[in-house]
Amino acid sequence: ILNVEQSPQSLHVQEGDSTNFTCSFPSSNFYALHWYRWETAKSPEALFVMTLNGDEKKKGRISATLNTKEGYSYLYIKGSQPEDSATYLCAPILTGGGNKLTFGTGTQLKVEL
Amino acid sequence: ETGVTQSPTHLIKTRGQQVTLRCSSQSGHNTVSWYQQALGQGPQFIFQYYREEENGRGNFPPRFSGLQFPNYSSELNVNALELDDSALYLCASSPRPSGSQGEQFFGPGTRLTVL
Repeated sequence: ILNVEQSPQSLHVQEGDSTNFTCSFPSSNFYALHWYRWETAKSPEALFVMTLNGDEKKKGRISATLNTKEGYSYLYIKGSQPEDSATYLCAPILTGGGNKLTFGTGTQLKVEL
Repeated sequence: ETGVTQSPTHLIKTRGQQVTLRCSSQSGHNTVSWYQQALGQGPQFIFQYYREEENGRGNFPPRFSGLQFPNYSSELNVNALELDDSALYLCASSPRPSGSQGEQFFGPGTRLTVL
């Protein structure tokens, strides 16, 4: 069983604050790591797919880094906006796992005005 | 390009009944995966179908079964429903069962309540 941990479980920030979340996973047999953003009543939406140690991806105000040797990824949001309110899920895929995503429990972000 | 769709949106069943959930994959995708999200947890992998064959299964009992059709749409069937089966069921399609860094596209889910 692949143990994926995300922290914090939930986060309340003010508009304009920058924030970051952590995803921890076993580093052996690593193939890829996915970050998904999931707004209430919508479909989970892919943010990033990361594969290389030291990888850094960016989409607007959101960025992510990956450390496969120590088994963690950080997601950063700069200048949070109310529309960033969502649950952020990470899911690693192992080599030979056949695209099976193993999700963490997610970080629920609430951005308040 | 049509995204992943699921039906029904919500469903209420009683213990012991059977349920069928449906998923239409994104155009051009031949692989469908099903996930169960129980309250307070992340989505858990149930199984994956590729070209009408099961291609990997998570830690779910045999009363969870599936089908994939020639048009790559899919069904998830659950027999002998239990209260703990109450959850959001997500399906995700992808262009192939492996490679492409595992990119998957999710539907909005079916909320199943078992009373």
